[in-house]
Amino acid sequence: NAGVMQNPRHLVRRRGQEARLRCSPMKGHSHVYWYRQLPEEGLKFMVYLQKENIIDESGMPKERFSAEFPKEGPSILRIQQVVRGDSAAYFCASSPTGKMAYEQYFGPGTRLTVT
Amino acid sequence: AQKVTQAQTEISVVEKEDVTLDCVYETRDTTYYLFWYKQPPSGELVFLIRRNSFDEQNEISGRYSWNFQKSTSSFNFTITASQVVDSAVYFCALSGGSSASKIIFGSGTRLSIRP
Repeated sequence: NAGVMQNPRHLVRRRGQEARLRCSPMKGHSHVYWYRQLPEEGLKFMVYLQKENIIDESGMPKERFSAEFPKEGPSILRIQQVVRGDSAAYFCASSPTGKMAYEQYFGPGTRLTVT
Repeated sequence: AQKVTQAQTEISVVEKEDVTLDCVYETRDTTYYLFWYKQPPSGELVFLIRRNSFDEQNEISGRYSWNFQKSTSSFNFTITASQVVDSAVYFCALSGGSSASKIIFGSGTRLSIRP
């Protein structure tokens, strides 16, 4: 049973470009969570999605960031017009149900570098 | 509000010494989960343990042990006979109750084991 998959593992973007980060949850999991880890900090919750629904986006920056989890395919975290401060590791996690959010399995992360 | 505090930013010990990483949490919920994760230099997040608020039994797994005390809202982690491979950043985290959709991480403790 494959774990949570994230790609790319490393992404380099110039300021002003768009970054797309992809997350495929574990088989059988329909709930996805995105976290951001700024350098030398802990992980911070960004958004929680079910298929085709955003359930909790209380941790998402108000501008330039969006997330989706379509009926088919991976969840996508999209950052428009990236700035240097977006450089971070972005982790995705999945759980089998929303009521089992405590049972989140983390992917290996995507390291975004903005030059 | 829920919060996790890891007061020790960095710890450095000589190999084979025992070391304890402190974690203090805040929550008003009666049902919650506590976690420890390890983040080695490679960057991925390695799950170590999850405990629920109703289970205060201490746990031992090889050289690792955890001490959960609800009276002091602490969930400390001890490594016995430390090894160089234990060098990593360790995160304590909390989930459940009013923040059931997210895991709240502490800021981490960077542990360096010197040979």
